[in-house]
Amino acid sequence: NAGVTQTPKFRILKIGQSMTLQCTQDMNHNYMYWYRQDPGMGLKLIYYSVGAGITDKGEVPNGYNVSRSTTEDFPLRLELAAPSQTSVYFCASSYSRQGNMNTEAFFGQGTRLTVV
Amino acid sequence: GENVEQHPSTLSVQEGDSAVIKCTYSDSASNYFPWYKQELGKGPQLIIDIRSNVGEKKDQRIAVTLNKTAKHFSLHITETQPEDSAVYFCAAPPVTGRRALTFGSGTRLQVQP
Repeated sequence: NAGVTQTPKFRILKIGQSMTLQCTQDMNHNYMYWYRQDPGMGLKLIYYSVGAGITDKGEVPNGYNVSRSTTEDFPLRLELAAPSQTSVYFCASSYSRQGNMNTEAFFGQGTRLTVV
Repeated sequence: GENVEQHPSTLSVQEGDSAVIKCTYSDSASNYFPWYKQELGKGPQLIIDIRSNVGEKKDQRIAVTLNKTAKHFSLHITETQPEDSAVYFCAAPPVTGRRALTFGSGTRLQVQP
């Protein structure tokens, strides 16, 4: 199992550009998440999904969009990049039975994004 | 939703000493408390967790204690080694609302050889 795979690992964007951060998992997990981690800070939830076709906002969703067309993939879209979106982005997944959150979350290696 | 506070933000210890990191949570109905370790350039990884029906859990040099009355839980690392140097996050799941873990702000642990 590869686990959670994120691409790209690094990216520099100019203000106003768009990009998609890719995330895929091969563990058949139903729950998937996107977090951002600013320097010296904790993890803030951007969006999450409890299954294919279902997405919901986290703490800091503004400026981002997501989709979940398959169980495996959960891409994060930045439409108009801003310097405030400079951060490290982590995708994660977990298996939840009947909404129970008492299970391990598996994280990808992260995407380091710089907006200039 | 759940609110998790973590202290200290940085911790420096000598190799062989113990390290303790503490978290408090807001929702008294919370019943699962994991700890994640993030090494440089990597994503967080679960190292130990505890459920609300026990007060302590150990795994070799790491242990987690839970005080449900005071709504806090702590990570204890004994006989610290340089490879323990990392950022540690506590977390708690929501009881209602968002179906995702809420993480503490992290503790950067540095073990001095």
